[in-house]
Amino acid sequence: AQSVTQPDIHITVSEGASLELRCNYSYGATPYLFWYVQSPGQGLQLLLKYFSGDTLVQGIKGFEAEFKRSQSSFNLRKPSVHWSDAAEYFCAVGMDTGRRALTFGSGTRLQVQP
Amino acid sequence: DGGITQSPKYLFRKEGQNVTLSCEQNLNHDAMYWYRQDPGQGLRLIYYSQIVNDFQKGDIAEGYSVSREKKESFPLTVTSAQKNPTAFYLCASKVDREMNTEAFFGQGTRLTVV
Repeated sequence: AQSVTQPDIHITVSEGASLELRCNYSYGATPYLFWYVQSPGQGLQLLLKYFSGDTLVQGIKGFEAEFKRSQSSFNLRKPSVHWSDAAEYFCAVGMDTGRRALTFGSGTRLQVQP
Repeated sequence: DGGITQSPKYLFRKEGQNVTLSCEQNLNHDAMYWYRQDPGQGLRLIYYSQIVNDFQKGDIAEGYSVSREKKESFPLTVTSAQKNPTAFYLCASKVDREMNTEAFFGQGTRLTVV
């Protein structure tokens, strides 16, 4: 079955430190890959997406993600975290066949220490 | 402003009652989705509709029903058959069913059974 795994439920980093959030997927082919961010009690906002081409993609708010086919991973990174980055982050994947709906990971909650 | 509006923001339901969550979009999007969010489980797909007058079951459709009589509206009814309806519900829409188009999310409805 297709699945998305975010192995880190909760991460705490200090403001100004670098960040990497992990995402692994299990699909038969290369899926469409997304990272979303959610503030408490709010909807989701798209940070970035990967469809094809350059495996390093840039998104909003200074985030980037790298697609690694050999590892079935799409990890999210930021070189210097700001207190406003505290939120929950979701990795999502979709295929261009079948039902064509996003499948989400369980999320990683990020806390930022001053 | 274009966007997705979910109402109400908070909803309380007595056991045995049906309740309907509203989702309206003025983005002229063909595809619409309902997700349920529980702590630590990410978002799970309830129902989706890729075009007006058509909808499909997602992964957790039992105890829920939908309609898509108008392009801009995709209401979700939580029936008394849903045994554990307390959750955060998110509606999303996309311009079409293709995976290379962005999904936009509403602000969510928090449903609590009292």
